[in-house]
Amino acid sequence: DTAVSQTPKYLVTQMGNDKSIKCEQNLGHDTMYWYKQDSKKFLKIMFSYNNKELIINETVPNRFSPKSPDKAHLNLHINSLELGDSAVYFCASSQAGGISYEQYFGPGTRLTVT
Amino acid sequence: SQQGEEDPQALSIQEGENATMNCSYKTSINNLQWYRQNSGRGLVHLILIRSNEREKHSGRLRVTLDTSKKSSSLLITASRAADTASYFCATDRGGSQGNLIFGKGTKLSVKP
Repeated sequence: DTAVSQTPKYLVTQMGNDKSIKCEQNLGHDTMYWYKQDSKKFLKIMFSYNNKELIINETVPNRFSPKSPDKAHLNLHINSLELGDSAVYFCASSQAGGISYEQYFGPGTRLTVT
Repeated sequence: SQQGEEDPQALSIQEGENATMNCSYKTSINNLQWYRQNSGRGLVHLILIRSNEREKHSGRLRVTLDTSKKSSSLLITASRAADTASYFCATDRGGSQGNLIFGKGTKLSVKP
């Protein structure tokens, strides 16, 4: 069974469109994250949710809006897509928030904005 | 801002050799984690070492932490072609905020 899954795996869209990426974890974890990995492999935290509540929002444009319907799901909605949004987006989860827990990553969603 | 930086950026070795990757960070930490990323895949957790630990082992992996030098190293012994991947260190900022700060990674290539 896949621990952290994301859909879609690839997403190609035009500038100005709105798109969503879905994430689900079946590990029973309380905390979920969204990361962005750019073309140079630099991985940066975007959001962190603990039990459906936003914990971390790291200077992400408000075109990005995470939504957590329950603690097993954390979806990412992006409005008015820009060329600079092209990247690989990773969802992750951990048993609890804080830095003492290992994080489990999904396979990533490669977003290409043309 | 970036906390950890791995060195070297890229490393190419023959199967059977040992691979050593280093990570330096700027501020005090509570713990440091190492992750592996195979091409086109998500990150996989390898080891977590706490600030009061100096060394930790897991199979062929050995991690050291020197808080006085603000550095850590990951040693992979008897490398295999399957170890080919990028390796990232991740640290916190030593405070209560729970997010990990990842370095840019070391790209390891193990030739058969």
